[in-house]
Amino acid sequence: DAGVIQSPRHEVTEMGQEVTLRCKPISGHDYLFWYRQTMMRGLELLIYFNNNVPIDDSGMPEDRFSAKMPNASFSTLKIQPSEPRDSAVYFCASRRGAQETQYFGPGTRLLVL
Amino acid sequence: EDKVVQSPLSLVVHEGDTVTLNCSYEVTNFRSLLWYKQEKKAPTFLFMLTSSGIEKKSGRLSSILDKKELFSILNITATQTGDSAVYLCAVDGTGAGSYQLTFGKGTKLSVIP
Repeated sequence: DAGVIQSPRHEVTEMGQEVTLRCKPISGHDYLFWYRQTMMRGLELLIYFNNNVPIDDSGMPEDRFSAKMPNASFSTLKIQPSEPRDSAVYFCASRRGAQETQYFGPGTRLLVL
Repeated sequence: EDKVVQSPLSLVVHEGDTVTLNCSYEVTNFRSLLWYKQEKKAPTFLFMLTSSGIEKKSGRLSSILDKKELFSILNITATQTGDSAVYLCAVDGTGAGSYQLTFGKGTKLSVIP
């Protein structure tokens, strides 16, 4: 199994630009999670999906952030417009429902200048 | 709000030493506690604990949970430089029907030769 796949691995952009992060969960996993990790705040859950439906987006910082999961094998996290304080590593993780082990993707390191 | 506190925040030891990392939690509807190891990339799964007093062991690493006192410890014996990483504790405390983890800030372990 290829594991959770994320792209891009690194993104450098200027303030105000739109950023789109992509994730492909492990095949057969019905839960998908987006996390953000910073030195100050650690690992924070942004949003998670079950069977492609958003369940809890209370961790999404503000309206500039949006996430979609059009099918079981693909999800996006979009930031529009981006700001320097969005600079972080963004992880996607997936799990199979009844199992509580989440498997993380390699992350996207985002730098907003 | 669920809360996970890890201590110490950082630790420097010499190869061969034994270390104990701590994780305390306050959650509603506890389901499980997980330990992850994070090197320079994504967190990788170590252990999942659901029952008090039952030690989980993998090589030089072991972990145990105390559901009465609401904490867990992760022990590493005969440490090696390859054990240098951030160790994350996470708790699934949202009960049936919801599958999200609350992470602690992590303990940064540095093992020097």
